[in-house]
Amino acid sequence: EAGVVQSPRYKIIEKKQPVAFWCNPISGHNTLYWYRQNLGQGPELLIRYENEEAVDDSQLPKDRFSAERLKGVDSTLKIQPAELGDSAVYLCASQGGSTGGEATNEKLFFGSGTQLSVL
Amino acid sequence: SQKIEQNSEALNIQEGKTATLTCNYTNYSPAYLQWYRQDPGRGPVFLLLIRENEKEKRKERLKVTFDTTLKQSLFHITASQPADSATYLCALEGSNDYKLSFGAGTTVTVRA
Repeated sequence: EAGVVQSPRYKIIEKKQPVAFWCNPISGHNTLYWYRQNLGQGPELLIRYENEEAVDDSQLPKDRFSAERLKGVDSTLKIQPAELGDSAVYLCASQGGSTGGEATNEKLFFGSGTQLSVL
Repeated sequence: SQKIEQNSEALNIQEGKTATLTCNYTNYSPAYLQWYRQDPGRGPVFLLLIRENEKEKRKERLKVTFDTTLKQSLFHITASQPADSATYLCALEGSNDYKLSFGAGTTVTVRA
């Protein structure tokens, strides 16, 4: 089974430039999350999707961040314009499916993340 | 405000010993608690889930306890190996929402 795929793995940009991250979740997973992880910290939720609907975007800085999940599969997270404080790892995770086993409906599957450096 | 606190200091232990990690929480009424492992440059990987009505759960060399009165979970790695070296994150979802929140993690280093 393919895991959650994110691209790019690394991105270096200058402040005020736009940047976009892409995520392909595990097939059949209806729930998709974007998290941000700062160095030495745990992941912090930015937005959660159920299929194509954003059901929790309360922690997404909407003045510069936007996200979409067209057709309820792949998702894109965008920052425009980027600021120095946006430097972090952006993680995508998916949840759901019917693979059976422990905590099928609760556990999250994470991608390897995109490490963003804003100079 | 809601808080999830894990051992702030890194844990260095000798191979074969038991590592014990702590996760304390405040202002949550969790339906369950999860533990994840994260290696450098990788996303977290699910290890175990324990529900509010469970006191203890085991998986191979891992053991998790959950005390909702103390608002604490303990995570044990028995017979530790150098391959267990990683950061371990606890995560909580409140019983009234679907938001999975993470602690800052505890880094474990197992010396051969």
